[in-house]
Parts: sequence; structure tokens; C-alpha cells
Amino acid sequence: ILNVEQSPQSLHVQEGDSTNFTCSFPSSNFYALHWYRWETAKSPEALFVMTLNGDEKKKGRISATLNTKEGYSYLYIKGSQPEDSATYLCASPTDSWGKLQFGAGTQVVVTP
Amino acid sequence: GAVVSQHPSRVICKSGTSVKIECRSLDFQATTMFWYRQFPKQSLMLMATSNEGSKATYEQGVEKDKFLINHASLTLSTLTVTSAHPEDSSFYICSARFTTGSSTDTQYFGPGTRLTVL
Repeated sequence: ILNVEQSPQSLHVQEGDSTNFTCSFPSSNFYALHWYRWETAKSPEALFVMTLNGDEKKKGRISATLNTKEGYSYLYIKGSQPEDSATYLCASPTDSWGKLQFGAGTQVVVTP
Repeated sequence: GAVVSQHPSRVICKSGTSVKIECRSLDFQATTMFWYRQFPKQSLMLMATSNEGSKATYEQGVEKDKFLINHASLTLSTLTVTSAHPEDSSFYICSARFTTGSSTDTQYFGPGTRLTVL
């Protein structure tokens, strides 16, 4: 894989349900994997920076895992709430200086 | 902490005019700032990287004479779209970082600017 790809492009979740989605990135020359949450009309907010294979990070009801050997990361939302509605972006640095290559994002809509 | 503002949030201009977008780090000194562009349904695409006091480094395919970037202070970077044309209509967003070079350091983003060229 040459680019950062996210799937699905969008998903609708019922309030209270859990969900997860994927970020795929080039596994060669891996530096780090960044996750952001981007609510409409706001600035993207940093969620996690992950570096180690097998790493798992958690922030409230949101967690992420990382597999650097196969080049993917999952982001999980447990017990989705309407305030979790946002576009979730992942990004992988293309070099050690940290220039980020972004995926197109997964738009999550949580309905009451 | 780590708040980045961007101004204006929306701008409409006539073809041939120049537009300046400001990106400010409000509560930290940004050694490095980045400018991205996003077309509908596409990912954020890095346009250029600027370090305070240095010339910006542009990504391949980005015209440096069309997209002028100035990073004169540790809290302000500007992007000027010169002689804008309808194809320059896009969403432009900046980010700022404390350090000059680290793959693990977080970039803090502004809210973006929607540019429409008539």
C-alpha cells in the first residue's frame, strides 16, 4: 500500500452502539500513526499518536490499536454518543521530520 | 492549550485577485507550520512546510509563486494565493507544531478557510 486509506468512508451508528473502523498505511519505513477527530466547523483535534506495534491507546470511550507489520490501525468507539459524530482522520508521517500523509477520513454519524 | 486560529474562515474573491490567509498559534511558539488543501471528498494534501525565519518548502506540484508562504514570527504564518482563479477554490487549513522535526509530535490545526474564486 502506498497511500493512507480509511474505510468505510462513512457510517451511521445508533446511540449506545459500539463501532470501529480502519486505517491502512504503508508498513515500510513506518514512523508513527496519528489519529484526529474533526467536528464540523471546528479544528481537527488530536486523539492519539501511536508508534509501537501492538500498542493500544485509550481516551474515554475511544481506543485505537496498531499493527505496524501489516500496516493497519483500528479505532473503536464504545457506546457511541451523538457528540461522537465527527470525521475521524488518520495520518502517517512520510519521513522522520513528520510530514503527514492523511487518509480521506471516516465520517461517523451517531443518531439518538 | 495549543490553540491555532485561522482567518478568515470564508472568503469570496474575483478571479485575478490575491487573497491572504493568516494562521496564528495563540498560546505556544510554533517552530514549524504546515499548510494543507482539501478538495471535496478528498484527504488533506500537504502544500508546504515552513519553519520560522526560513523559506517554505513546497510539495511537488505546488507552485511556490502562486502560493506565497511567510513565517516571519513564531506565532504567525500567512498563505497568499496570488492571482486566484476558480480552480484555486478549495478548503485551506494550517497546522502548527512546537518542534522543527519529529514524526511523533502532534500538529495542532486551525479551523480552516474556505476560498471561493468567482
